Parts: sequence; structure tokens; C-alpha cells
Amino acid sequence: AQSVSQHNHHVILSEAASLELGCNYSYGGTVNLFWYVQYPGQHLQLLLKYFSGDPLVKGIKGFEAEFIKSKFSFNLRKPSVQWSDTAEYFCAVNPPSTDKLIFGTGTRLQVFP
Amino acid sequence: DTAVSQTPKYLVTQMGNDKSIKCEQNLGHDTMYWYKQDSKKFLKIMFSYNNKELIINETVPNRFSPKSPDKAHLNLHINSLELGDSAVYFCASSQLSSGTIEQYFGPGTRLTVT
Repeated sequence: AQSVSQHNHHVILSEAASLELGCNYSYGGTVNLFWYVQYPGQHLQLLLKYFSGDPLVKGIKGFEAEFIKSKFSFNLRKPSVQWSDTAEYFCAVNPPSTDKLIFGTGTRLQVFP
Repeated sequence: DTAVSQTPKYLVTQMGNDKSIKCEQNLGHDTMYWYKQDSKKFLKIMFSYNNKELIINETVPNRFSPKSPDKAHLNLHINSLELGDSAVYFCASSQLSSGTIEQYFGPGTRLTVT
């Protein structure tokens, strides 16, 4: 079945460590890609998005993601995490010819001071 | 200003009851969505309305009935609530006519069925 996979379910880091969260999808054709963040007890907020153009996308709060078409991947990165980055991170894909987002299962990030 | 708002924020009710959740967006978007987030944080789309017309209806029990009185509102009515309906329900909106599916989410409604 076509899907969105986030292989890291729970990531624990110390402040200033580098972060990379994986996201892979199995849809062919042209897709739109998103990363959303959900801070504890809050709603989802858009971190960044990719529609076309430069495959390296910069988002808010120092996050970036790289679209690698050949690997069907859209990994999220941040060079140096902060305690305030503790949250749930969701990758989402808008498959071709659809009006919906398919979300991955999320990655829980815990950052310790 | 709240872009996408939901009421109530918390809802605790007993099995068998009927309840409604309301959503409003002031972004001028033409499309609204309902998502269910389960206890494992998995987020799944339930319904979508574009200009008051149903465009997405995933495999959801008939006990769930969305209603869109206008473009800015999308309500969710749930009949005969079951324990498994306990979840956080998120409303979202987007402007599909602009060619983007970027969605803005509401704060969520935490439904607990006892």
C-alpha cells in the first residue's frame, strides 16, 4: 500500500546536537511534501514545504529539509537543536491528483539541556 | 487573531451519547478538513469539504456526519459514541483554488468517551 514512513519513532538528543529525521514515501509522480511540528498540547504548525524548485528547503526555527526524488525521501534536519524543539514531528505527502495530505506516524523528539 | 478555531477544546461524554464539534476559519479558505489523531499520535484524514461540498470521505463509520453550512464552518456530529472514538480531532483549512494544499490546523478537540 502507498504510504508515508517515518522510521525514527522516538529520538532523544542533548542540546546542540544535530538532528536528522527520516521521511520516505511510496507515491509515484509529482508530490508535494511537508513537515509539521506539534509542540506538547498544541496544534500542528507548518515547519516547511516543498512543491518544486530547489530541493533544499529552509523552514522556520532553523529547520531545513532535502527532497531526494530518487530515494523518495524528504528528511528533516537541524544543525543544533534546542530544548524548545522538544515536540512531535510529522512528515506529510500530498499524493498526485489528490486534495489530501497523508501523514507519517510521527517522530517524538526529546531534547535534554 | 485565531485562524482556525474549534469548540469545545475538551469534551468528556459517555458511550452512546451524541455530540458535536465545531470548526471555524477566518482565513477565507475554500476547503476544510477533519482529522483524527489517536493515542499513538497517528493523524488520519476523515473528511474534506470544498465550497460546502464533500470531496473526501475516508472510511469512517456512518455515525460520523460532517456538515458545512458555509465555507468558513465545518462541524462534525458523532452519534452513538463509542470508546474507540476517544481521540483528538483536528480541523484544518486550505485554499485549494490557489493550487496549494498547505493546510492550517486548529487547536484540536480532545474527546474522551467513558
